Amino acid sequence: SAVISQKPSRDICQRGTSLTIQCQVDSQVTMMFWYRQQPGQSLTLIATANQGSEATYESGFVIDKFPISRPNLTFSTLTVSNMSPEDSSIYLCSVEEGQGAIYGYTFGSGTRLTVV
Amino acid sequence: SQQGEEDPQALSIQEGENATMNCSYKTSINNLQWYRQNSGRGLVHLILIRSNEREKHSGRLRVTLDTSKKSSSLLITASRAADTASYFCATDGRYGGSQGNLIFGKGTKLSVKP
Repeated sequence: SAVISQKPSRDICQRGTSLTIQCQVDSQVTMMFWYRQQPGQSLTLIATANQGSEATYESGFVIDKFPISRPNLTFSTLTVSNMSPEDSSIYLCSVEEGQGAIYGYTFGSGTRLTVV
Repeated sequence: SQQGEEDPQALSIQEGENATMNCSYKTSINNLQWYRQNSGRGLVHLILIRSNEREKHSGRLRVTLDTSKKSSSLLITASRAADTASYFCATDGRYGGSQGNLIFGKGTKLSVKP
């Protein structure tokens, strides 16, 4: 199965600043997904990132706040912009293995963000 | 949108006992998956069951799926302290018009005491 390297694993940031999270996959994948998990909550999809096109954002998430880059088929970044304490969450990237209906999805180890 | 909902929200058992977690969802699905998350870290894919399957086994895991009731259960047999984690069910969003992303339930927090 694919191996995802996600970094940083954690960070403590000042409000008003931005943090860029990186995900590197050891194989080429068409779609990468970015999720947010707020404290004690389940995962919520932020956006889907396809190589060569703009990311597709879910309701409640906007590009200005969470810009995403997908320069090639093995790499993506998510930036959390102009952070506030409400952005304190775990952020995870995910890729679909083979066809999702058969193999499921692989997740990065997550980035635990604390905004102070 | 469809969303899996697990119950119970929290489960505490002794090592060696079986743990059963349930998940319900709202719309038609392509497949249902179970994931484990240790201490707020990344998710580990446990098992996937397709909509035309009723039961699936993997080691100490047994998953059932009842599409008529839109529900699934995850059974962990002979639990170990290392099974302590949060368990999430997730449905493939394809049929919901999404792009193949997963829609997660709220999770069951399992605590296995030695």
